[in-house]
Amino acid sequence: DTAVSQTPKYLVTQMGNDKSIKCEQNLGHDTMYWYKQDSKKFLKIMFSYNNKELIINETVPNRFSPKSPDKAHLNLHINSLELGDSAVYFCASRAEGSRLFFGEGSRLTVL
Amino acid sequence: GENVEQHPSTLSVQEGDSAVIKCTYSDSASNYFPWYKQELGKGPQLIIDIRSNVGEKKDQRIAVTLNKTAKHFSLHITETQPEDSAVYFCAASMGGSGYSTLTFGKGTMLLVSP
Repeated sequence: DTAVSQTPKYLVTQMGNDKSIKCEQNLGHDTMYWYKQDSKKFLKIMFSYNNKELIINETVPNRFSPKSPDKAHLNLHINSLELGDSAVYFCASRAEGSRLFFGEGSRLTVL
Repeated sequence: GENVEQHPSTLSVQEGDSAVIKCTYSDSASNYFPWYKQELGKGPQLIIDIRSNVGEKKDQRIAVTLNKTAKHFSLHITETQPEDSAVYFCAASMGGSGYSTLTFGKGTMLLVSP
């Protein structure tokens, strides 16, 4: 069973569109994250939720809106997509004091 | 906040050689230092981690060393194999807190040639 699963794996869309990426973890972790990995492979945290509550919100445009319906799910919605949003987005989860588990990534391409 | 520097950005070795990747961190309160391996098209996966109460940890061909005084830690891979080719990330955090965030280095692309 996949520990952290995210969908879709690939997403190609036009500038200005709105898209969502979904993430689910079956590890029972309390904390979930969204990371953005740019073309240079740099991993930058975007958001962190603990038990459905937002605890970290890095300097991310407000076009990005995370939503956590329960502690096993953390979805990412992006409005008015721009070329610079093209990247691989990773969902991850973690229990307190333990290691981070990453999903397989969602590659977003904005044309 | 924490800042993690990682070197080199690329590393090419011959199969069987050793590879060393080095990281420094800025926040002396950090006490958890994991290393992640990212293969092409996949998410990063933990390969080894170390906490600040130990100076070295080994797992088969992989070892990590930590120097808290100097605030640096290193990944050592011995007897490298082509399947070790990947991007490696170091990270640092205050590991005891559920709210703590991992700060990653910029990654090292390791290429092991047969």
